[in-house]
Amino acid sequence: GAVVSQHPSRVICKSGTSVKIECRSLDFQATTMFWYRQFPKQSLMLMATSNEGSKATYEQGVEKDKFLINHASLTLSTLTVTSAHPEDSSFYICSARVSGGAETQYFGPGTRLLVL
Amino acid sequence: DAKTTQPPSMDCAEGRAANLPCNHSTISGNEYVYWYRQIHSQGPQYIIHGLKNNETNEMASLIITEDRKSSTLILPHATLRDTAVYYCIVRGAGYALNFGKGTSLLVTP
Repeated sequence: GAVVSQHPSRVICKSGTSVKIECRSLDFQATTMFWYRQFPKQSLMLMATSNEGSKATYEQGVEKDKFLINHASLTLSTLTVTSAHPEDSSFYICSARVSGGAETQYFGPGTRLLVL
Repeated sequence: DAKTTQPPSMDCAEGRAANLPCNHSTISGNEYVYWYRQIHSQGPQYIIHGLKNNETNEMASLIITEDRKSSTLILPHATLRDTAVYYCIVRGAGYALNFGKGTSLLVTP
C-alpha cells in the first residue's frame, strides 16, 4: 500500500510555544489529507480536512486559528499547533487520499505531542 | 454517514481464524465498508474495503451480506501480531473516516 510519513514522531515543547507537524505522501499524490487527534484510551477524532491549494475545513469545536493547516503541495500538509497548552497534548495522525477518486486513505504513523 | 456496531472485544487463538463482525443496518447505496486496525501507539493500518462483493487480499477477507446490513472481517490464520483494535467504518468514497470504538482483538498463544 501507499506510504504516508509524519515528522516528528514525537515532540515535547513548553507551554506557549508553537509546534509544526509535517505529513507527507511518499509515493503518491494526495489532493486531500485529513488530520485527526487521539487522546489516551479514546478513538481517533477528525480535526480538519486539508485540500491542496485551498483553505482547510475544520470540524466543529476545532479552533482554526489555533490549529493552522497548510497544504501547499500534492505531497505535503502541515499542522501547526500555535501557543500550545498542556491540554493540546495528544497523538496527532494524518491520512492521505490518493488523487483521482480512489477510495482508500492511508494513515501516517502519528506524532505524539507533549506540552509541559 | 452510517453508524456501525462492533463487539467491544474478542479473543482468538493463534493460528485460528479470527472473524470480526460489524453491523451497519443504515448503510446507503454509495457507501463503502472499510476496515482498519490500530496497533498500540501507531497510526491506523488499512486492511480492506468493499462495496457489495466479497473481497480478499493478502491480509484478510471481507464478507458483506447480500442486503449490505452487516459484514465480517476474516483473518484466516491469526498471529500474535494481529492483536489490535479493529475498526469497521462505513463511508462514501473520499470522505473522512469516522472512527467508533472498534473491536479490541486479543490473539493468544
